[in-house]
Amino acid sequence: EVQLLESGGGLVQPGGSLRLSCVASGLSFSDYDMSWVRQAPGKGLEWVSAIHGESATYYADSVRGRFTISRVNSKNTLFLQMNSLRAEDTAIYYCAKHNWVDWGQGTRVTVSS
Amino acid sequence: EIVLTQSPASLSLSPGERATLSCRASQSLNTFLLWYQQRPGQAPRLLVDDACNRATGIPARFSGSGSGTDFTLTISSLEPEDSAVYYCQQRSRWPLTFGGGTKVEI
Repeated sequence: EVQLLESGGGLVQPGGSLRLSCVASGLSFSDYDMSWVRQAPGKGLEWVSAIHGESATYYADSVRGRFTISRVNSKNTLFLQMNSLRAEDTAIYYCAKHNWVDWGQGTRVTVSS
Repeated sequence: EIVLTQSPASLSLSPGERATLSCRASQSLNTFLLWYQQRPGQAPRLLVDDACNRATGIPARFSGSGSGTDFTLTISSLEPEDSAVYYCQQRSRWPLTFGGGTKVEI
């Protein structure tokens, strides 16, 4: 059974940074492209970023230049480094495998002073 | 960026009725369109990939159709547990995008 477990969320002040992690189990992690998707309170889903293969990365316009996606295949872990955080980044952040069947349960990020 | 427009924004139906949800894309997607169900407090659940392929374990009452710019998710006979928000997503071009969702109340 595939499991994706996010962590690293929390409360941060505007302008601050957080690093989210997603640990995968039950799959050959390096074989799969991965994404981060977020959902602001009471709002819809928003794709944030993806890592394609070993190093090709893609970002939504809303986070490009502030967020960085990366992975360490030897540790079955996906990361999202979030800098210069804004109130509008407040959301639950999910990691998802690119079969789009397997999603984590999310980690909550709150950006507030 | 490809914009996905879902309609209606919400609908209220009775058990056993048929629900028809629409997703329209601003550019052709071929068939690179997915549908999800999301219940409150849960992660999205994949229903349909490639516009019409039901995901493993998804009941047959869920069906997807369409290609190009116009897509439909049909729930043939609603069950109470189908109350949820339904999203479409395109994986044709970067950046990936989601529609705004349709809330189905039963």
